[in-house]
Amino acid sequence: TQLLEQSPQFLSIQEGENLTVYCNSSSVFSSLQWYRQEPGEGPVLLVTVVTGGEVKKLKRLTFQFGDARKDSSLHITAAQTGDTGLYLCAGVSKGGATNKLIFGTGTLLAVQP
Amino acid sequence: NAGVTQTPKFRILKIGQSMTLQCTQDMNHNYMYWYRQDPGMGLKLIYYSVGAGITDKGEVPNGYNVSRSTTEDFPLRLELAAPSQTSVYFCASSQWTPGGQPQHFGDGTRLSIL
Repeated sequence: TQLLEQSPQFLSIQEGENLTVYCNSSSVFSSLQWYRQEPGEGPVLLVTVVTGGEVKKLKRLTFQFGDARKDSSLHITAAQTGDTGLYLCAGVSKGGATNKLIFGTGTLLAVQP
Repeated sequence: NAGVTQTPKFRILKIGQSMTLQCTQDMNHNYMYWYRQDPGMGLKLIYYSVGAGITDKGEVPNGYNVSRSTTEDFPLRLELAAPSQTSVYFCASSQWTPGGQPQHFGDGTRLSIL
């Protein structure tokens, strides 16, 4: 069974601080996606990383895929209250009629004004 | 833009009752998925479909059934509700098999079994 562990599970910070969320697995994934979920809504895709060592930036968010494609990180610079939400990583597992997403356990981020 | 629409948004069931969670998408996506989300557990895949008439089991299919008679609709059926099925259920669709394409999620159905 492929598992993705995220850390920390919960993070409460002040506006303007930096933070990093980690997503780790013992399995190799063909690619990895990061989603953000707000209360009462479904997850929304932020980014997909495909190549080992790849770094992608989305404004103040920086995503990195580990060299071995087993782990990933999300770094937020100068967090804003609008960044509050549940962050989910999801590894793409190939096989069968369709690739499947293996979701991590989630990191709940609260940014205080 | 409607995207993926789930109904109902909330439901309370008694143990042993049955119900159908509805999901429809207007993006002409072939791939559709049902997940459940439990606190601190992420999302678990229940069933998925790669096109009309084709369905397959995901990671946690026990106690559920699905059908896919049209491209747009992918209902999830609970036959004998059990307390362990208390969860938030999400339907999703994608244009292609996951990899570079996003999955588009509905807003979820919050289900409580008492």
